[in-house]
Amino acid sequence: EFVLTQSPGTLSLSPGERATLSCRASQSVSSSYLAWYQHKSGQAPRLLIYGASSRATGIPDRFSGSGSGTDFTLTISRLEPEDFAVYYCQYYGRTFGQGTKLEIK
Amino acid sequence: QITLKESGPTLVKPTQTLTLTCTLSGVSLSTIGVAVGWIRQPPGKALEWLALVYWDDDKRYSPSLRSRLTITKDTSKNQVVLTLTSMELVDTATYYCAHGHGVVADGYLSKFWFDAWGQGALVIVSS
Repeated sequence: EFVLTQSPGTLSLSPGERATLSCRASQSVSSSYLAWYQHKSGQAPRLLIYGASSRATGIPDRFSGSGSGTDFTLTISRLEPEDFAVYYCQYYGRTFGQGTKLEIK
Repeated sequence: QITLKESGPTLVKPTQTLTLTCTLSGVSLSTIGVAVGWIRQPPGKALEWLALVYWDDDKRYSPSLRSRLTITKDTSKNQVVLTLTSMELVDTATYYCAHGHGVVADGYLSKFWFDAWGQGALVIVSS
């Protein structure tokens, strides 16, 4: 069974700090199908990154994605107050990771 | 601009069948590379992918729910319908539909992601 494992489960940081979120696939995958989403309570999820490293339209450049094979990373260079949310990786429009909650420290 | 809107019952009883409709605007379901997916989020839990239907009517289902799910599209109405049979309390969730953007190259889907989502429809299973 193909699984995406995100870590950490919860990340406590302060505004202005750098956030590094990990997504590990249970087998090597094509980066072309790896996407990251931001989800805030009561709202629709928002696409941040597609193809592992391409920013979606309107996404600030403090968000960046990288990785290949089994290991992928979402980095937020300097956290803004509106960045605190849950982040999910997804593969091929199907499997989601279990999410990383980014909370204010 | 692509928009999606989910519609369906808020309350269903155990053992009943849930039928949800996703209505799209700003894109045609027959456009090459287009897909619509259904995703749900139980209270306090993670997003869970349920099903996908592609522009060519190819369909994919979550292995864990395959026996209970059916996804269909009506291109003339620009709608996608999801049915989930034998509803249980654990099926209580917010159900989202999302527009899948696929890049087709050399006859296959070379890239894919969800670039627009509906606001979600809360479905409560209760007797």
